[in-house]
Amino acid sequence: DAGITQSPRHKVTETGTPVTLRCHQTENHRYMYWYRQDPGHGLRLIHYSYGVKDTDKGEVSDGYSVSRSKTEDFLLTLESATSSQTSVYFCAIWGIGTSGQNEQFFGPGTRLTVL
Amino acid sequence: TQLLEQSPQFLSIQEGENLTVYCNSSSVFSSLQWYRQEPGEGPVLLVTVVTGGEVKKLKRLTFQFGDARKDSSLHITAAQPGDTGLYLCAGLRYNFNKFYFGSGTKLNVKP
Repeated sequence: DAGITQSPRHKVTETGTPVTLRCHQTENHRYMYWYRQDPGHGLRLIHYSYGVKDTDKGEVSDGYSVSRSKTEDFLLTLESATSSQTSVYFCAIWGIGTSGQNEQFFGPGTRLTVL
Repeated sequence: TQLLEQSPQFLSIQEGENLTVYCNSSSVFSSLQWYRQEPGEGPVLLVTVVTGGEVKKLKRLTFQFGDARKDSSLHITAAQPGDTGLYLCAGLRYNFNKFYFGSGTKLNVKP
């Protein structure tokens, strides 16, 4: 299994507070992704990174920012959390799998509740 | 509107039945992936199809990539309760390093 972890795994916060989620990989992969998963929407891309300090927006980036100061860490920040950001957040890396093809490996997810 | 339309959204069948899940788009993809997700866990890759018209088999699961690389299907033969889960398709666009996911198909196979 790819070495990818997320922290925290669960978080409850209040509207208006800042929240930072962390994704850590031990695989030295260049590409990292943050998704959110909501019922009926599958996974939607928030932001992704293609190298240290290189990031780009996904389809649902409003209200989120990211940073990548090291290859192994990709941080997702909600500057001022809103109830619409209650969701399950997944981090993923993209690299060569055991099949020899590029594939995404997902972390275990962070369940965020904004009250 | 999602780039990849996945259907059906829900499927509840008896053990032993066959089923097909569809993933359709008007866009062309360089590759398409199918994932399976268990509750409380991240998606796990089942297969990647790359060539138009490609067919891949994984035991009782058959995956097909459309000739025009705009659509894909997942067929399960003789479904078993262990096949229960959320199935997701994801397409990789040409010249982009972003994946677009379908909304998922929640499969329940009853014993």
